[in-house]
Amino acid sequence: GAGVSQSPSNKVTEKGKDVELRCDPISGHTALYWYRQRLGQGLEFLIYFQGNSAPDKSGLPSDRFSAERTGESVSTLTIQRTQQEDSAVYLCASSLGQGRAGTQYFGPGTRLTVL
Amino acid sequence: GQNIDQPTEMTATEGAIVQINCTYQTSGFNGLFWYQQHAGEAPTFLSYNVLDGLEEKGRFSSFLSRSKGYSYLLLKELQMKDSASYLCAVRDSGKSTFGDGTTLTVKP
Repeated sequence: GAGVSQSPSNKVTEKGKDVELRCDPISGHTALYWYRQRLGQGLEFLIYFQGNSAPDKSGLPSDRFSAERTGESVSTLTIQRTQQEDSAVYLCASSLGQGRAGTQYFGPGTRLTVL
Repeated sequence: GQNIDQPTEMTATEGAIVQINCTYQTSGFNGLFWYQQHAGEAPTFLSYNVLDGLEEKGRFSSFLSRSKGYSYLLLKELQMKDSASYLCAVRDSGKSTFGDGTTLTVKP
């Protein structure tokens, strides 16, 4: 079956502009995660959606960052008034549930460059 | 808070065995995952431990000691394609916290 897909694969924007990043999870996966990965660094947790529960937004770095998810499908991460420090790869992952089913399947990422 | 420590870099020789350690201090625990990430690619799942002991899967094994907050990933019969970053992640209820990863370089 299809894996996690993300779009766009690359995004170059000017400082101060808003960007929207999209994630299509694996069908049937109830959990969806967004991470940020700066060059040469680890994964920084941003936000986590689980079914119809309120999302865990504890990793969002500022109020310029927001995310939505429609049911158990597509998610959009929005960054307003982008800054150069926002330049990174944004990874989306989805998983089925608890335990071993909590294995996360990652999309290819969106590489964001803020000029 | 959550704290996960891994060595930053390791180097090993093709055909050898390498052990990558991970120590963690987290407020909760619901399993530990290891992922492999090749340069420029997304992470992919390698192993999962929730009970103490060793899980073996081909050339890769993973060990967990919950009382010590410790895990390791063991890679045997190293191949050049094993050169990658290895990420340790601890799951706490729903979300996972990732370590910064260990970059493994395999030399001929």
